[in-house]
Amino acid sequence: DARVTQTPRHKVTEMGQEVTMRCQPILGHNTVFWYRQTMMQGLELLAYFRNRAPLDDSGMPKDRFSAEMPDATLATLKIQPSEPRDSAVYFCASGLSRGAGLNEQYFGPGTRLTVT
Amino acid sequence: GEDVEQSLFLSVREGDSSVINCTYTDSSSTYLYWYKQEPGAGLQLLTYIFSNMDMKQDQRLTVLLNKKDKHLSLRIADTQTGDSAIYFCAEPFFGNEKLTFGTGTRLTIIP
Repeated sequence: DARVTQTPRHKVTEMGQEVTMRCQPILGHNTVFWYRQTMMQGLELLAYFRNRAPLDDSGMPKDRFSAEMPDATLATLKIQPSEPRDSAVYFCASGLSRGAGLNEQYFGPGTRLTVT
Repeated sequence: GEDVEQSLFLSVREGDSSVINCTYTDSSSTYLYWYKQEPGAGLQLLTYIFSNMDMKQDQRLTVLLNKKDKHLSLRIADTQTGDSAIYFCAEPFFGNEKLTFGTGTRLTIIP
């Protein structure tokens, strides 16, 4: 049963600390998405990769957030330094790009981040 | 960008039908999607509809699409307690790979 995995599931940290969230996409998928979910803003797209290349990170605060795919089995999202307003659930999703066709996204269970 | 709109809350008695509505923005969208999010979990693709269809049925789920009004709905027949969740509609943008999600509708089942 292929699934997107994310670690850690929960993270509590103090303001100013670095946070790294990891995602393992489903084997064979070539698109990876990072989302942030909060009560106030709903689900926001932060970054998007196709074949490991970053295509769009316009939704991400550039000064403190960074997203990378060191290899096809790992995507990372880093926040440095973290701030209380970064508290949210961060989801990774992967998919298999079919151009104009059906593009399903499969979500991981999320990382719940609390910054105090 | 423009918003995909949904009502925030819906309460339905167990055994009744639930209808969740969505207004999307791009009339050229090829596929439209419904996702379900259970508490503490990620979103799960529930169903989708191709834009040249106006209805799709899958067991207890019926999706209706009105392209003229850019209106999408999800009907759940014989609603059960396990259907309690947040339901998101989504439409593609930027070459079809990225999705814009609606605000989500929280479905509560009344016993």
